[in-house]
Amino acid sequence: GAGVSQSPSNKVTEKGKDVELRCDPISGHTALYWYRQSLGQGLEFLIYFQGNSAPDKSGLPSDRFSAERTGGSVSTLTIQRTQQEDSAVYLCASSRVNSPQHFGDGTRLSIL
Amino acid sequence: AQSVAQPEDQVNVAEGNPLTVKCTYSVSGNPYLFWYVQYPNRGLQFLLKYITGDNLVKGSYGFEAEFNKSQTSFHLKKPSALVSDSALYFCAVSGRGGGNKLTFGTGTQLKVEL
Repeated sequence: GAGVSQSPSNKVTEKGKDVELRCDPISGHTALYWYRQSLGQGLEFLIYFQGNSAPDKSGLPSDRFSAERTGGSVSTLTIQRTQQEDSAVYLCASSRVNSPQHFGDGTRLSIL
Repeated sequence: AQSVAQPEDQVNVAEGNPLTVKCTYSVSGNPYLFWYVQYPNRGLQFLLKYITGDNLVKGSYGFEAEFNKSQTSFHLKKPSALVSDSALYFCAVSGRGGGNKLTFGTGTQLKVEL
């Protein structure tokens, strides 16, 4: 079946611009996660959605980062006023409760 | 706070030889432990997990891992390596009560040579 789908696969933008990254989870998966993978910081947790509960935002690095999940399915990660240190691969994962996470191929974000 | 250490940045092994990729963890309470593999320009693929039960866990592609509570380790192993196993391997931990968010190690690049 279809896996986790992320778009765009690559995004190049200028410093100071806003960007939106999209994640389509596997159908029926109630949990959705965003992670960031960068050379300097490795793999970092950003935010976690579980059903209708309030999201766990404890990993968001600054208030320029936000995410929403509409209708318990698609999620959008928004980065406002991008900085060069935001350059990274942003990975989305989804899972059923207490089951392993399935990852998308990520969005490679480059800030010029 | 939970943490994972992968002490080796790279592991080199000849095809057909056994391989071990090391991982140690720190977490409050009983851990949920995972191994993932990442190929170039791809996301992470789940290999195996330890939740409870037998200390030797078998996973995908012939990989297995041994949970050792006294040494807080969860080393990944395979009896006979293949060139196609060459990839980046991540160990991860999730503690109870923290949702299922994962804390990852820094990754170990496995290179299997002919």
